[in-house]
Amino acid sequence: DTGVSQDPRHKITKRGQNVTFRCDPISEHNRLYWYRQTLGQGPEFLTYFQNEAQLEKSRLLSDRFSAERPKGSFSTLEIQRTEQGDSAMYLCASSFGRGYGNQPQHFGDGTRLSIL
Amino acid sequence: DQQVKQNSPSLSVQEGRISILNCDYTNSMFDYFLWYKKYPAEGPTFLISISSIKDKNEDGRFTVFLNKSAKHLSLHIVPSQPGDSAVYFCAASAWGSGGGADGLTFGKGTHLIIQP
Repeated sequence: DTGVSQDPRHKITKRGQNVTFRCDPISEHNRLYWYRQTLGQGPEFLTYFQNEAQLEKSRLLSDRFSAERPKGSFSTLEIQRTEQGDSAMYLCASSFGRGYGNQPQHFGDGTRLSIL
Repeated sequence: DQQVKQNSPSLSVQEGRISILNCDYTNSMFDYFLWYKKYPAEGPTFLISISSIKDKNEDGRFTVFLNKSAKHLSLHIVPSQPGDSAVYFCAASAWGSGGGADGLTFGKGTHLIIQP
């Protein structure tokens, strides 16, 4: 039973560099979510995909952030021109949904980003 | 403006006793509520959820109660075990206008410590 997989687990980079994270959801899940978590806070929603369509974006997702989910399978989150404030844990979650009806989201172990 | 509040940053309970974790919310559009457990260096693990059409849901040692009029939910763990020591997050979601489930809104978490 494979859960949500995220790569890399840790990323250290200099301010101003671009970084890209990958998320592989649970195979039968059609919904995929990205969150960011900083110390002492709960995860904060960034964006959501249903299959390959990006349906929701939080105001936290500035122009420097872009997410894709080609072919409705894995997803990537790119941050351009990183800033100190981007240092956080980036979490990916997935769930299965059809029509109206809520299903729990299952999270990966995250990618910890540190900006030097 | 915090829409999901967990007012107790930490809670200490003796092994074998009941642990009660509380959560309050302000957004009346929330219709699905979840509890997650998080160990250090891991992503949140789904524990139990409840839809707004119910007031109670049980799964083994875990029971979630929802009081819609008070906008309050609680998680009961009976009996508490040492492995329950972790940070517990309350989360909520509303069905979005885009036709899909919105991202989850999390509280800041409660650190539960089970004393032997």
